[in-house]
Amino acid sequence: ETGVTQTPRHLVMGMTNKKSLKCEQHLGHNAMYWYKQSAKKPLELMFVYNFKEQTENNSVPSRFSPECPNSSHLFLHLHTLQPEDSALYLCASSPPRVGGEQYFGPGTRLTVT
Amino acid sequence: AQTVTQSQPEMSVQEAETVTLSCTYDTSESDYYLFWYKQPPSRQMILVIRQEAYKQQNATENRFSVNFQKAAKSFSLKISDSQLGDAAMYFCAYRSYSTSGTYKYIFGTGTRLKVLA
Repeated sequence: ETGVTQTPRHLVMGMTNKKSLKCEQHLGHNAMYWYKQSAKKPLELMFVYNFKEQTENNSVPSRFSPECPNSSHLFLHLHTLQPEDSALYLCASSPPRVGGEQYFGPGTRLTVT
Repeated sequence: AQTVTQSQPEMSVQEAETVTLSCTYDTSESDYYLFWYKQPPSRQMILVIRQEAYKQQNATENRFSVNFQKAAKSFSLKISDSQLGDAAMYFCAYRSYSTSGTYKYIFGTGTRLKVLA
């Protein structure tokens, strides 16, 4: 366990559904990240938050909507997804200190039918 | 923009033997961090080892060590006395500082390591 939790661990949703992924950390980290992990592709950074403020949006389609109500919680709201959005969605957090590495959650395995 | 390349999609090693995983990167920065992460099947990604670019000494963590060649922009991971529990995906990552005040981590495509009993 790394101290970063994600729920749900598995999610199957239709293309017209609305669902949300949740990430939580109580490590005192300031930055939180959403990544998409697909087979045989590098981890794709989606969003970055620093002290609740979004600092990075890597041209992610608007059907993915992040929310960071505080430094400990991060959500990814999903709406009208496509089958190619099926992937493992990883949340990570990192501390502000120099040299600090990222701590990853276990991920949510998303299948869009 | 920085890039990270792992040219070995899959590697195999006999238990108790040594294996080296390769990673190269491209950057114009002089100060940065490099990491190796391990992702076991269906388990969380965890840090294996980190290297600060301004330190010439190669990092070591028990059976894990790196060969950091800054000029060549190479950062390989050596696993000694391989154990069955070392079987996993290994990701090389580069960290740069973003002007937005946070760090950006760029990952390679990963190397799947199989350990043979």
